[in-house]
Amino acid sequence: SAVISQKPSRDICQRGTSLTIQCQVDSQVTMMFWYRQQPGQSLTLIATANQGSEATYESGFVIDKFPISRPNLTFSTLTVSNMSPEDSSIYLCSVVLAIVTDTQYFGPGTRLTVL
Amino acid sequence: QKEVEQNSGPLSVPEGAIASLNCTYSDRGSQSFFWYRQYSGKSPELIMSIYSNGDKEDGRFTAQLNKASQYVSLLIRDSQPSDSATYLCAVGGGNYQLIWGAGTKLIIKP
Repeated sequence: SAVISQKPSRDICQRGTSLTIQCQVDSQVTMMFWYRQQPGQSLTLIATANQGSEATYESGFVIDKFPISRPNLTFSTLTVSNMSPEDSSIYLCSVVLAIVTDTQYFGPGTRLTVL
Repeated sequence: QKEVEQNSGPLSVPEGAIASLNCTYSDRGSQSFFWYRQYSGKSPELIMSIYSNGDKEDGRFTAQLNKASQYVSLLIRDSQPSDSATYLCAVGGGNYQLIWGAGTKLIIKP
């Protein structure tokens, strides 16, 4: 497996502001994903972070609200823009380590509270 | 639309007993199947992956796959209080994506 870190681990933000979450892996990975998990719910895929190009967003998620960057094979950021209380959630990055498998490994998550 | 179904529970099992967690999926072409454990306030952790029909054992955990019935299960033998968590079933959905079940909350009673 790999060591996956996320920063910040938690934050409390005011509505209307933006927060950028970082995901760092200690080795090059094939795929990186961003998920949202609301309290008591399962995982919802926000987007696939593509290295050097625009992310691929799932239905219901748009680039203006959740801009994503992936400048290299070990790092990605997710920004939650113009936040509202409905954005309060845990945000998780996951990675696929090798091209021959679709096994995903998760970072520790970022717990976001929007007031 | 590809779906993965799990009973949300909670499933309550006495300590030392066998916990049986079940999952069904809709896409008959799925090739990869996973069980993740998620403790409250933590991120999901991979327990088992299975790709072929039959059983796969790893310590106290056994994953069972039946592609004809589109059914995958996880057995936990000699259940311990530390096994209390939410168990997420995930199925390969193509393009390295996983389709996630809602999770089953397991409670092991001492």
